[in-house]
Amino acid sequence: GAGVSQSPSNKVTEKGKDVELRCDPISGHTALYWYRQRLGQGLEFLIYFQGNSAPDKSGLPSDRFSAERTGESVSTLTIQRTQQEDSAVYLCASSTTGGETQYFGPGTRLLVL
Amino acid sequence: GDSVTQMEGPVTLSEEAFLTINCTYTATGYPSLFWYVQYPGEGLQLLLKATKADDKGSNKGFEATYRKETTSFHLEKGSVQVSDSAVYFCALSDRGGSEKLVFGKGTKLTVNP
Repeated sequence: GAGVSQSPSNKVTEKGKDVELRCDPISGHTALYWYRQRLGQGLEFLIYFQGNSAPDKSGLPSDRFSAERTGESVSTLTIQRTQQEDSAVYLCASSTTGGETQYFGPGTRLLVL
Repeated sequence: GDSVTQMEGPVTLSEEAFLTINCTYTATGYPSLFWYVQYPGEGLQLLLKATKADDKGSNKGFEATYRKETTSFHLEKGSVQVSDSAVYFCALSDRGGSEKLVFGKGTKLTVNP
């Protein structure tokens, strides 16, 4: 079946603009994660959604970052007033309820000029 | 908090050489441990995992054993191939709730013919 998809694959924006990144998880996966991968670094956890439970937002680096998820489907990650340090690859992953194997999408490469 | 430390790269080997990539972790409780791989131009893929002490994960000729006494999960392969050239990430799963993954910084492996 289809894997995790993300759009856009690449995004170039100017400092101060808002951006919205989209993730479509694997059908039937109730858990959804966002991570950030800066150049030369490992992945940093941003936010976690599980069904209708309150999301775990403990990894969001500032209040400029927010995310939403519609039921158990699409999620959007919004970065307001982008800064150059926001430049990174943003990865989305999904997994089954209580499962530990997370399946990753191809990522969105964000460049803030 | 939880953390993962893996050996710095890059690592360059000749085909058929033995590979070891060291990984140690710090965690409260008993995490699951993972190795993910990112091939050039591709997304992050699960390579292998182990969920409890002394478990051995294996896949594609790679192996790693969950060593609780040394808090380690070293990745090994007896004979590497050019096609193994990739970035390898060690990770642990936070079982405290979100099961988010905590990643090491990654080790880039290049295998020359």
